[in-house]
Amino acid sequence: DTAVSQTPKYLVTQMGNDKSIKCEQNLGHDTMYWYKQDSKKFLKIMFSYNNKELIINETVPNRFSPKSPDKAHLNLHINSLELGDSAVYFCASSQDFPGGGANVLTFGAGSRLTVL
Amino acid sequence: AQKVTQAQTEISVVEKEDVTLDCVYETRDTTYYLFWYKQPPSGELVFLIRRNSFDEQNEISGRYSWNFQKSTSSFNFTITASQVVDSAVYFCALSEAEASGGSYIPTFGRGTSLIVHP
Repeated sequence: DTAVSQTPKYLVTQMGNDKSIKCEQNLGHDTMYWYKQDSKKFLKIMFSYNNKELIINETVPNRFSPKSPDKAHLNLHINSLELGDSAVYFCASSQDFPGGGANVLTFGAGSRLTVL
Repeated sequence: AQKVTQAQTEISVVEKEDVTLDCVYETRDTTYYLFWYKQPPSGELVFLIRRNSFDEQNEISGRYSWNFQKSTSSFNFTITASQVVDSAVYFCALSEAEASGGSYIPTFGRGTSLIVHP
């Protein structure tokens, strides 16, 4: 059983389209994340979400929106896709520790988005 | 603000060589956590180690060892007798204790690509 699963693994689409990437974790973790990895392998946090709050990286365009129907799911919806959105998107989850900060992330396998 | 610097973009070694991956961090918190993750060619990121700021003991796990030095704000990773299967991108990461107002969300360095040749 995959701990953090993302679908689809590959996504090729045209500029201007709207797409979603789904993420599910079966670890019972409290917090889920979306990271973007660019072509140079740089991992950048986009969102973090638990049942208390959504933390948004201010540099993320508002075309990107996280949607969490429940604690085990954090989907990423992208409107009006642009060429620069091409990247690998990683979902992750972690169990919260008192005081925060010690969270070990369990990552999904990544979703490679290509915008043509 | 927290920052992680991995100055080595790519390292190439021959099998059985020892190799050290550098990680330098910046934080204003006294309580923080350091991590190393491995991303093999398959693409999935795998957790290797976590260290808290109060524990400066070096750690060894098989051929892997980590040297945490607060005096130089470094958390370096050494692979002894490298193997081809060690070829991957290695990421150092830092998070701060939320309770102290820091960002508990891990910030990653840019990664070091390690290539081990047979």
